[in-house]
Amino acid sequence: GQQVMQIPQYQHVQEGEDFTTYCNSSTTLSNIQWYKQRPGGHPVFLIQLVKSGEVKKQKRLTFQFGEAKKNSSLHITATQTTDVGTYFCAGRGTNAGKSTFGDGTTLTVKP
Amino acid sequence: DGGITQSPKYLFRKEGQNVTLSCEQNLNHDAMYWYRQDPGQGLRLIYYSQIVNDFQKGDIAEGYSVSREKKESFPLTVTSAQKNPTAFYLCASSMRGADQPQHFGDGTRLSIL
Repeated sequence: GQQVMQIPQYQHVQEGEDFTTYCNSSTTLSNIQWYKQRPGGHPVFLIQLVKSGEVKKQKRLTFQFGEAKKNSSLHITATQTTDVGTYFCAGRGTNAGKSTFGDGTTLTVKP
Repeated sequence: DGGITQSPKYLFRKEGQNVTLSCEQNLNHDAMYWYRQDPGQGLRLIYYSQIVNDFQKGDIAEGYSVSREKKESFPLTVTSAQKNPTAFYLCASSMRGADQPQHFGDGTRLSIL
């Protein structure tokens, strides 16, 4: 079945440093969604990318969808303590009826 | 998410017991989902339903059952056949369509006594 791999599994950064998580699929994706789960909370939808090479920004967060639509990244500039949590990508293969979640990247930020 | 209510927040199960987790949404969403999350792990799909009176197995359906008799409700039963049920269970809903963003409830944490 479709697999969506996320790396790294964990990332520890000093406040103010940048952070990037990568999402890779074995198959071409129709779209990719990104979610954030705060510690003890539930996933919250952040954004969806649909077009090849698409780049979207939300304040300090930059989301990219690869040209081949098989990979995506989330980059946070100058991390803050409020950025802590687990970031998940979810992708739907072009022939799949549902999205598959990656295992997530857990970000911790040291003040 | 205020539109999806999961209950209870914590649940304890004895060996050999079936337990049912509740999920109710008032977002008028057609699709509903159940996920299992283990510590440090991602979200694994148990069951999903795109419309009332219809549902499909996800990646880890064995030992679980669901029903979708009403649009707003999608209860999950963890049966005694599920040998390792201790986990965090998340319910989600979305508008109809495979690419719609999912809205999650606060989850139910199930433990074995």
